[in-house]
Amino acid sequence: SQQGEEDPQALSIQEGENATMNCSYKTSINNLQWYRQNSGRGLVHLILIRSNEREKHSGRLRVTLDTSKKSSSLLITASRAADTASYFCATAASGNTPLVFGKGTRLSVIA
Amino acid sequence: GAGVSQSPSNKVTEKGKDVELRCDPISGHTALYWYRQSLGQGLEFLIYFQGNSAPDKSGLPSDRFSAERTGGSVSTLTIQRTQQEDSAVYLCASSSPGQGDYGYTFGSGTRLTVV
Repeated sequence: SQQGEEDPQALSIQEGENATMNCSYKTSINNLQWYRQNSGRGLVHLILIRSNEREKHSGRLRVTLDTSKKSSSLLITASRAADTASYFCATAASGNTPLVFGKGTRLSVIA
Repeated sequence: GAGVSQSPSNKVTEKGKDVELRCDPISGHTALYWYRQSLGQGLEFLIYFQGNSAPDKSGLPSDRFSAERTGGSVSTLTIQRTQQEDSAVYLCASSSPGQGDYGYTFGSGTRLTVV
């Protein structure tokens, strides 16, 4: 079953704008991760945030986690055409259980 | 190896035939996962291997699906008597214990088409 649900399903923005994607989940988690997928093949890990963390940064990425609302957001600042991809959130109930993925947000960045 | 390797990249098979998909994880990664992704959908968990522990098979959709991992390294996912609904991209991933801050490393997947 899919726990994470991303919102919106699709997002189209101009190059240079910021992109915000949201993820909601249902049960308690150990950590939440975001992945990027190009061309429907392998996923690339972007960032991991633990349940006791509220915000994390990596380059142009900013992730927030609100465990009381069971939600997370991924912000990509100053977007580039190369950021065009599908973005998935995934949750882990513990450090040793398989990740449960959402259906993803399709981001299109127009040059 | 430098990354997770999957073979074949693409497989077209006739309905009713058996197929084997291979995954070669990153050396030293004790955890190995199989997922499948239907067109435009999220990832569906299939099976999880962790070290020498019994695998978590809770995601396998039917008894036509099985997987093994030999010597704690290479894994093979076998689908017997393939059906058209088995058509999907099958993704393998590996990770180090506890995942750390690095998450999973995915292979490029095998696109299976059942005709």
